[in-house]
Amino acid sequence: AQSVTQPDIHITVSEGASLELRCNYSYGATPYLFWYVQSPGQGLQLLLKYFSGDTLVQGIKGFEAEFKRSQSSFNLRKPSVHWSDAAEYFCAVGAANSGYSTLTFGKGTMLLVSP
Amino acid sequence: DTGVSQDPRHKITKRGQNVTFRCDPISEHNRLYWYRQTLGQGPEFLTYFQNEAQLEKSRLLSDRFSAERPKGSFSTLEIQRTEQGDSAMYLCASSFGGGSGANVLTFGAGSRLTVL
Repeated sequence: AQSVTQPDIHITVSEGASLELRCNYSYGATPYLFWYVQSPGQGLQLLLKYFSGDTLVQGIKGFEAEFKRSQSSFNLRKPSVHWSDAAEYFCAVGAANSGYSTLTFGKGTMLLVSP
Repeated sequence: DTGVSQDPRHKITKRGQNVTFRCDPISEHNRLYWYRQTLGQGPEFLTYFQNEAQLEKSRLLSDRFSAERPKGSFSTLEIQRTEQGDSAMYLCASSFGGGSGANVLTFGAGSRLTVL
């Protein structure tokens, strides 16, 4: 069975500083990987996804993520954080037995942005 | 396209009562999913439909839970004889899939259930 680990429960970053959120996955085949963001009272919004090809993927809001097969990682990065980025971030892996539709999520990382 | 709609957004009920949540997916999406999210956890898969067929159910979906998508459009998730452990956010998502490769889920804002 697939699993996702997000080792950081909370991260605080100063506004304007760079950000990296960690994600490690366990999956027996080529994974389909996603990052979602959830703001209070809002649904999950897709930031970016990796299916195949270039291991560095660009997403919305200036986010990017890099797939590293050797490290089973898919870390999310942003060069300069804005106060509006404060939210909870979830990494997820898609399961092959349902056309990669059903997702397994990590427990999330709460991003706090300090002035 | 108004996205994925869920109703009600909040529900408070007493233990032992039945509750029903409704999800209206994006109109052209043929797949519909239910997830549950408890405090401090990521969403956990419950079940999904392709058109009106329920194709997969998680072990989390006990006998007290039932989901339907009778005409392949909206879906309902019913919880019978609610327990305090059922308190959670119930998330609905939809996607267009069926071909090869992955497809992308669009989530609704969720229905928060509190069982007293």
